[in-house]
Amino acid sequence: GIQVEQSPPDLILQEGANSTLRCNFSDSVNNLQWFHQNPWGQLINLFYIPSGTKQNGRLSATTVATERYSLLYISSSQTTDSGVYFCAACRGGADGLTFGKGTHLIIQP
Amino acid sequence: DAGVTQSPTHLIKTRGQQVTLRCSPKSGHDTVSWYQQALGQGPQFIFQYYEEEERQRGNFPDRFSGHQFPNYSSELNVNALLLGDSALYLCASSLFDNAVTEAFFGQGTRLTVV
Repeated sequence: GIQVEQSPPDLILQEGANSTLRCNFSDSVNNLQWFHQNPWGQLINLFYIPSGTKQNGRLSATTVATERYSLLYISSSQTTDSGVYFCAACRGGADGLTFGKGTHLIIQP
Repeated sequence: DAGVTQSPTHLIKTRGQQVTLRCSPKSGHDTVSWYQQALGQGPQFIFQYYEEEERQRGNFPDRFSGHQFPNYSSELNVNALLLGDSALYLCASSLFDNAVTEAFFGQGTRLTVV
């Protein structure tokens, strides 16, 4: 199956800083999603982005499908951005999503 | 528009018992997938249900089984519980449209096996 790797595993930043999270995947995909997991465990959808670039407020994402990677950008970080960010991908059909191990982001005031 | 809902939110069971978790998909969705998330790990795919049939299965033993009802809701059953089954169980729904569509997750059921 698909392998998904995320980096860095941990990231500590000061409030106001910008950050870039990376997701590499081992095969062509028809679905790639970024999630933020809140402290209660719920996965919040950030982007559905199998290719191209999208922006939503301070967050943006880019997937370069031909080179098998995706980037999540967070600008002007706030303490509420803290948490675990997951990238997940699948080839399609009935395949389930394969998740990376996540990036644990801590934004300090 | 109600999102994906799961019940119960928390559950404590004894080793060897059986458990049933429930999931109602997002309005308009017809496909339900289940995931297990151990502490500190990413979620792992258990199986997917569409048209009341199991369509795909991850690397989980037969102790894990499921069902989908005509209204698209789903149940996850785990028999002969082991301590290692303690985890957050997440349900995701999507629309099976011959193409891959965005998956949305419920808040999860936290299962503790003692």
